[in-house]
Amino acid sequence: GAVVSQHPSWVICKSGTSVKIECRSLDFQATTMFWYRQFPKQSLMLMATSNEGSKATYEQGVEKDKFLINHASLTLSTLTVTSAHPEDSSFYICSASGGFNTGELFFGEGSRLTVL
Amino acid sequence: AQKITQTQPGMFVQEKEAVTLDCTYDTSDPSYGLFWYKQPSSGEMIFLIYQGSYDQQNATEGRYSLNFQKARKSANLVISASQLGDSAMYFCAMREGFSGTYKYIFGTGTRLKVLA
Repeated sequence: GAVVSQHPSWVICKSGTSVKIECRSLDFQATTMFWYRQFPKQSLMLMATSNEGSKATYEQGVEKDKFLINHASLTLSTLTVTSAHPEDSSFYICSASGGFNTGELFFGEGSRLTVL
Repeated sequence: AQKITQTQPGMFVQEKEAVTLDCTYDTSDPSYGLFWYKQPSSGEMIFLIYQGSYDQQNATEGRYSLNFQKARKSANLVISASQLGDSAMYFCAMREGFSGTYKYIFGTGTRLKVLA
């Protein structure tokens, strides 16, 4: 299947700093990328949808100034958690859709963010 | 209202036995897709099986089959001959919308434990 790579897998940062997470589709062009947040033992919560070259569409309740999403190319989307605080600690996982017949989502490995 | 409902927070199954994980969905779109993903403790999301709303036959992928009952809006996952490595969290998901505007909604998940 198609491959999506997410980096970094783990990140620990101090409160008040910003953290950037990258999501790359390695062998297909991802027209749409999705960013999810997952709390322990809970489901995936969609944060935003981004299409290449346009602004991301954020879900209700997600602060767009807090979680900056950039989808600069068909193979790269980034999520920047700005001025991170301990409550932002979570598992963030990206996924990409390449317009395949099934519309299948391909997921990155996820990034576990811990804000001290 | 929940669009994807997984009523079993946790399930146990004996190794080599079959197990069914329940999923019901709610949509008014005539065209939609249903997916099952497996999430082991490492966190990555692994695609298992897909069923399109117009597919006449139930989807099968190796030991996985999807029991699609459209009138009842259910899409249960059947795992045959369970293996210890099947122990994981399982998410049912639905894709709504049209190509380019897809939205993916996940259920709350079922944690499966395979017993030796």
